[in-house]
Amino acid sequence: DQQVKQNSPSLSVQEGRISILNCDYTNSMFDYFLWYKKYPAEGPTFLISISSIKDKNEDGRFTVFLNKSAKHLSLHIVPSQPGDSAVYFCAASGGNQFYFGTGTSLTVIP
Amino acid sequence: KAGVTQTPRYLIKTRGQQVTLSCSPISGHRSVSWYQQTPGQGLQFLFEYFSETQRNKGNFPGRFSGRQFSNSRSEMNVSTLELGDSALYLCASSPDSGADTQYFGPGTRLTVL
Repeated sequence: DQQVKQNSPSLSVQEGRISILNCDYTNSMFDYFLWYKKYPAEGPTFLISISSIKDKNEDGRFTVFLNKSAKHLSLHIVPSQPGDSAVYFCAASGGNQFYFGTGTSLTVIP
Repeated sequence: KAGVTQTPRYLIKTRGQQVTLSCSPISGHRSVSWYQQTPGQGLQFLFEYFSETQRNKGNFPGRFSGRQFSNSRSEMNVSTLELGDSALYLCASSPDSGADTQYFGPGTRLTVL
């Protein structure tokens, strides 16, 4: 059973606009969430995290929002750049291990 | 600091064979986790090692095993390979817990023919 879901396999955005990637989870015990970016033939690279005591965390162009009541988190990238084109994974943990979504492939069009 | 390294990067095996993959974590990191990535399945957790002990295990058959050495380096072994074992195998390290932020290696691409 997939405890972390990314329902959009792909997303295309114009350069300079906002990219919004979404992630839903089912386990209310999850209290720590991460976003990773992955280029082909490379391992995932850590982007940004958020703990359940917060509802927002920013790092430069990247902002993660957490809505605990909806069990939903999102990653906003503003402004989007062609170099952001990659597969993005969200991950959630309740203390023992991380559960990953299936990824969203983001294409930023110049 | 050097990142997580994995060897080999690519491997081709035939059904029935066994394979051993290696992972060296970031210096000072004591937790090593292994994942299998296949198209459409995301990253599936295999197991986590900490201080040479398996601390957590995912839902994979016993053909998948691992170990960790005193220097925190880890190996993963798959016996009696099946075609469905073809995947990217990723290793991630974290300072203390598998629930800390994990840092990934480049992965080993295993192809089973």
